[in-house]
Amino acid sequence: DTAVSQTPKYLVTQMGNDKSIKCEQNLGHDTMYWYKQDSKKFLKIMFSYNNKELIINETVPNRFSPKSPDKAHLNLHINSLELGDSAVYFCASSRVGGYGYTFGSGTRLTVV
Amino acid sequence: GQQLNQSPQSMFIQEGEDVSMNCTSSSIFNTWLWYKQDPGEGPVLLIALYKAGELTSNGRLTAQFGITRKDSFLNISASIPSDVGIYFCAGHTGNQFYFGTGTSLTVIP
Repeated sequence: DTAVSQTPKYLVTQMGNDKSIKCEQNLGHDTMYWYKQDSKKFLKIMFSYNNKELIINETVPNRFSPKSPDKAHLNLHINSLELGDSAVYFCASSRVGGYGYTFGSGTRLTVV
Repeated sequence: GQQLNQSPQSMFIQEGEDVSMNCTSSSIFNTWLWYKQDPGEGPVLLIALYKAGELTSNGRLTAQFGITRKDSFLNISASIPSDVGIYFCAGHTGNQFYFGTGTSLTVIP
């Protein structure tokens, strides 16, 4: 029973393509997040949703669009992929407040 | 965003040695967390700290919430090979956690 599951685990695609990453959590958490981890392993928040509402939207190119159909799902769609988008993308979830996040196992995106 | 600096950036130690790492910020946080990331996996929560001065243990791991609320420390005693990974601190303020720059730990058998 995976708590936070992301698909796919690996994604290799050409520049200019559009791709999506899906995330689901079965923890009953209210808040979900997308983080980007670069080659230096730095974790940077991209988006946060609470009960399907966007609450954090960091400076991210508008080619990235999150979608939360319900509070258990938060998908990330990326248009017109660029080489610099290559990274590991992590989905996470938490209860409201300063409680720790539960992370998925990541999606390694490689743009060629 | 907030900047959390971890040191050291990387460590190479012999199995059995103790490890100390820390996380500092110019901002005050009301919660500190420590995570470990294994290769190819997402970060996993190790310890959560909610009060300034709090000292919390989880097996061989001990973490402290700094009195100034601007720092936190993690110690690992008697390291073993499976301790290998990247350790991240995270501080909570406002409506999110901010993550540190990470400490990469290598344990030599």
